[in-house]
Amino acid sequence: EDQVTQSPEALRLQEGESSSLNCSYTVSGLRGLFWYRQDPGKGPEFLFTLYSAGEEKEKERLKATLTKKESFLHITAPKPEDSATYLCAGNFGNEKLTFGTGTRLTIIP
Amino acid sequence: EAGVAQSPRYKIIEKRQSVAFWCNPISGHATLYWYQQILGQGPKLLIQFQNNGVVDDSQLPKDRFSAERLKGVDSTLKIQPAKLEDSAVYLCASSSSVVVSEKLFFGSGTQLSVL
Repeated sequence: EDQVTQSPEALRLQEGESSSLNCSYTVSGLRGLFWYRQDPGKGPEFLFTLYSAGEEKEKERLKATLTKKESFLHITAPKPEDSATYLCAGNFGNEKLTFGTGTRLTIIP
Repeated sequence: EAGVAQSPRYKIIEKRQSVAFWCNPISGHATLYWYQQILGQGPKLLIQFQNNGVVDDSQLPKDRFSAERLKGVDSTLKIQPAKLEDSAVYLCASSSSVVVSEKLFFGSGTQLSVL
């Protein structure tokens, strides 16, 4: 069964302290790797899609990268408003998104 | 553009009762999804509609859950009878694409507590 595993479960950073979130997946015909942001009490909000190893996408302080086994969401000089749960999801060729359990990111002022 | 609308925002029921959730997707979006998100977990797909036809309901517990999308627009998800383990947030999402596209637009969800 296709699986998506995210680590760490939770991460606390000081404002301005850069770090990376990890999303690893079973290698089984990945058709797309998605990153979403979810704020408390809200639905997930789309951030990025990556389709092939070596691909990178950026948005403000976030950069997503993809290898053959995992994806990273790098956050540079985060601000308190970046605090949220970050979810990754894979499309393994069955046109369904399989979500990971998320990383809960807290940025301390 | 208006987002995906869901109601109610919260619902508290006792086990064995029934409950229904409503979703109005973004105008013109052909594909509609219902997801279940249990606390601390990622969303899990329950059912996918394309227009008013079911594309995938393989993970829908059909003995107690039902969903419909009349006229290819609004959708309702029903649970009857509810169990304690149904406590979760029920998210509706829509997409303009008939395949899993870059963007799913999610509503804010309905938080269900079964006591």
